[in-house]
Amino acid sequence: GQQVMQIPQYQHVQEGEDFTTYCNSSTTLSNIQWYKQRPGGHPVFLIQLVKSGEVKKQKRLTFQFGEAKKNSSLHITATQTTDVGTYFCAGGFSGYALNFGKGTSLLVTP
Amino acid sequence: KAGVTQTPRYLIKTRGQQVTLSCSPISGHRSVSWYQQTPGQGLQFLFEYFSETQRNKGNFPGRFSGRQFSNSRSEMNVSTLELGDSALYLCASSYDRQGSSYEQYFGPGTRLTVT
Repeated sequence: GQQVMQIPQYQHVQEGEDFTTYCNSSTTLSNIQWYKQRPGGHPVFLIQLVKSGEVKKQKRLTFQFGEAKKNSSLHITATQTTDVGTYFCAGGFSGYALNFGKGTSLLVTP
Repeated sequence: KAGVTQTPRYLIKTRGQQVTLSCSPISGHRSVSWYQQTPGQGLQFLFEYFSETQRNKGNFPGRFSGRQFSNSRSEMNVSTLELGDSALYLCASSYDRQGSSYEQYFGPGTRLTVT
């Protein structure tokens, strides 16, 4: 099936450290989306990448889409306690299907 | 614009019963997707509706069904509930255009507990 694998499952960092989560698909994606879910909340859209090799930044967050459009990463520089939550990637395939990875739960200790 | 609303927010049912969950998308959004979220499995896609038609379906048994009305509101139904159906059920709406996937706006979810 068209699965999207995401690693790591959990990450515990000290405030100020960097954090990266990776997303991989065995088949080419039409696009990839990233979402953040705070504890007790619902997923909130962060960004969508469409082009091969695309890199987008949102303040301390950097999103990359691989050249082959099969992998993506989210990097957070100098984490803050407000970054706590679960980060999901969602791969878009042909036919409108959007498959979510299982997410990376980030815990930031002050 | 009002966000995606889901009712009820919490529900407790007994094994064997059936349940209907409701979702009202953001005004103007015609695509509605349903997801099941559990701690071990993450977000699992149930189905997606667009203009009253089921356009995509995930790998769930036939006990899970849904429909969409002409005003884009959607319902999902689970019959013969099992303990394993306990989960947070999330609805998401999207503006959508043909041939592309757009950002999903999620509702707060319905927390279903099956005892």
